[in-house]
Amino acid sequence: QVTLKESGPGILQPSQTLSLTCSFSGFSLSTSGMGVGWIRQPSGKGLEWLAHIWWDDVKLYNPGLKSRLTISKDTSSRQVFLKIASVDTADTATYYCARMQSTWFAYWGQGTLVTVSA
Amino acid sequence: DIQLTQSPASLSASVGDTVTITCRASENIYSYLAWYQQKQGKSPQLLVYSAKALAEGVPSRFGGSGSGTQFSLKINSLQPGDFGTYYCQHHYGSPPTFGGGTKLEIK
Repeated sequence: QVTLKESGPGILQPSQTLSLTCSFSGFSLSTSGMGVGWIRQPSGKGLEWLAHIWWDDVKLYNPGLKSRLTISKDTSSRQVFLKIASVDTADTATYYCARMQSTWFAYWGQGTLVTVSA
Repeated sequence: DIQLTQSPASLSASVGDTVTITCRASENIYSYLAWYQQKQGKSPQLLVYSAKALAEGVPSRFGGSGSGTQFSLKINSLQPGDFGTYYCQHHYGSPPTFGGGTKLEIK
């Protein structure tokens, strides 16, 4: 059974760095073809893809946010991490991680709400 | 980036009705399109990938079709659990983008 669970700080201040963790089970990121992505959703709005990382450590980023994003993985601990630098109120959203199948998002976590506020 | 435009933005329907949601891509994405359902307060769930392939466990009442730039999701015999917001997403290269969503409400 594939499960994913996101964790984050809940609230942080503008200009800080947001650190998110995706802990997963039911698959291994050392398996060829596996990938994990991050998607966010401001309250009441649509979905925005942020980044994803493949089993071979290939990383892809949203071009509009690329300078602020860093995705990484720890295969042995079954975790994927996302850092977003210099956050502001526009980064307030629910952040989801998802296991990719080819290039769609087959399994999603429950999401973690992040609020950026002074 | 490839833009996806969904229509309608919202619609009301009754249990038992059949509805169709459309998704138009700004350029040819062949059959590289997925559909997701999101219920209020929950994470999105995959329904369809590669335009017409049903994800595991998805009822056959759901059907995806289309190719190129025009796609649709048809839901037959609406059930109470079908109400929510539906999103399309292209999976033709990077960056993957989502449509703006279609909110399906109970009439």
